[in-house]
Amino acid sequence: AQKITQTQPGMFVQEKEAVTLDCTYDTSDPSYGLFWYKQPSSGEMIFLIYQGSYDQQNATEGRYSLNFQKARKSANLVISASQLGDSAMYFCAMREGLSYNQGGKLIFGQGTELSVKP
Amino acid sequence: GAGVSQSPSNKVTEKGKDVELRCDPISGHTALYWYRQSLGQGLEFLIYFQGNSAPDKSGLPSDRFSAERTGGSVSTLTIQRTQQEDSAVYLCASSRRTSGRLTGTQYFGPGTRLLVL
Repeated sequence: AQKITQTQPGMFVQEKEAVTLDCTYDTSDPSYGLFWYKQPSSGEMIFLIYQGSYDQQNATEGRYSLNFQKARKSANLVISASQLGDSAMYFCAMREGLSYNQGGKLIFGQGTELSVKP
Repeated sequence: GAGVSQSPSNKVTEKGKDVELRCDPISGHTALYWYRQSLGQGLEFLIYFQGNSAPDKSGLPSDRFSAERTGGSVSTLTIQRTQQEDSAVYLCASSRRTSGRLTGTQYFGPGTRLLVL
């Protein structure tokens, strides 16, 4: 069965520093996608970044990058130059199957609460 | 463009009553998902609609829960005979079918906070 593990319930980082949020996953499907979402206190889930299992390079989106280590089944999120607005809950999620006509449920980790200190 | 919208934003009901939660997906998105977020269980998948295909109902916790999607757009999640353990935030998401790299990326609405007294 597919599973997502986030081992850090809470993290602190100083403003302007980089921070890494850990995520490990388990699946037997060779085709899968990994997602990171941000959930501020307002409650809305905001899509940040995506990594496909066949992607040759690590994904980057602005200050967000994904450190994808396939053999270790890890997909850590790196946030560079942290800002106060980055304080939120962060969720790692996985979906099996990558074909365009396959949607499919996301399996979420338990989340990491990030607090950015001024 | 407009994002996923959900209504009501908050709902308080009494145990045993039925509730209906509404989701309006992003225009052009063919897939629609319902999730539940609660303190004890985290984020759980409930049900998934893709176009005209039969929905994936594998996440519905009991037969008190049902959902429909009319005209391939708006969806309603119905909880019958609500129980206190149904108290949670119900999140709706939608995605589009493309051949691009971000195919199937789900975009979420603001959620409906349900409190069953």
